[in-house]
Amino acid sequence: GQNIDQPTEMTATEGAIVQINCTYQTSGFNGLFWYQQHAGEAPTFLSYNVLDGLEEKGRFSSFLSRSKGYSYLLLKELQMKDSASYLCAVRPAAGNKLTFGGGTRVLVKP
Amino acid sequence: GAGVSQSPSNKVTEKGKDVELRCDPISGHTALYWYRQSLGQGLEFLIYFQGNSAPDKSGLPSDRFSAERTGGSVSTLTIQRTQQEDSAVYLCASSLHVPGTEAFFGQGTRLTVV
Repeated sequence: GQNIDQPTEMTATEGAIVQINCTYQTSGFNGLFWYQQHAGEAPTFLSYNVLDGLEEKGRFSSFLSRSKGYSYLLLKELQMKDSASYLCAVRPAAGNKLTFGGGTRVLVKP
Repeated sequence: GAGVSQSPSNKVTEKGKDVELRCDPISGHTALYWYRQSLGQGLEFLIYFQGNSAPDKSGLPSDRFSAERTGGSVSTLTIQRTQQEDSAVYLCASSLHVPGTEAFFGQGTRLTVV
């Protein structure tokens, strides 16, 4: 089966850095996605990793280690608008469903 | 359309009634997903359609739930004899069947069973 774990909640200060970890155990692997979801809104795509290493996109970076079944999302220079839930999702194999973790609620404080 | 469209945006129904939720995916997207999200929780997979392949129904919680996708486009999720525990936001997403392409979500249907 599929198992995707991430912390439930994290708090950080405006301007700081926060790292959200995601560990997964899936039957096969064909990519890992990070989504952002503001309260009451639909999830929106942030990043995609399929090979080991770091993908940087502005203030957001995502890292993947396939051998460890591990990814993290790094949010730098935090802004108040970054307060949201961050969802880790894994595609176990080509053509198969996208399975989500429970999400990490990030609260940015002034 | 420009994005994934879901209707209705809100639905209040009485326990025991049937409901139909509609999803209109992005034109050309062959993959379509239904998820359920309870308040403060993650996304619970329900069903996945890919092209003409048999759908992956492994996430449907009971036989009261069913979904179809007509003509490879619009999808309808039907919940029969609704129960209070069915209350949640039902999200639809679509994507291209290309590795690495993300799924785009609709705004969801908030279902309340009273």
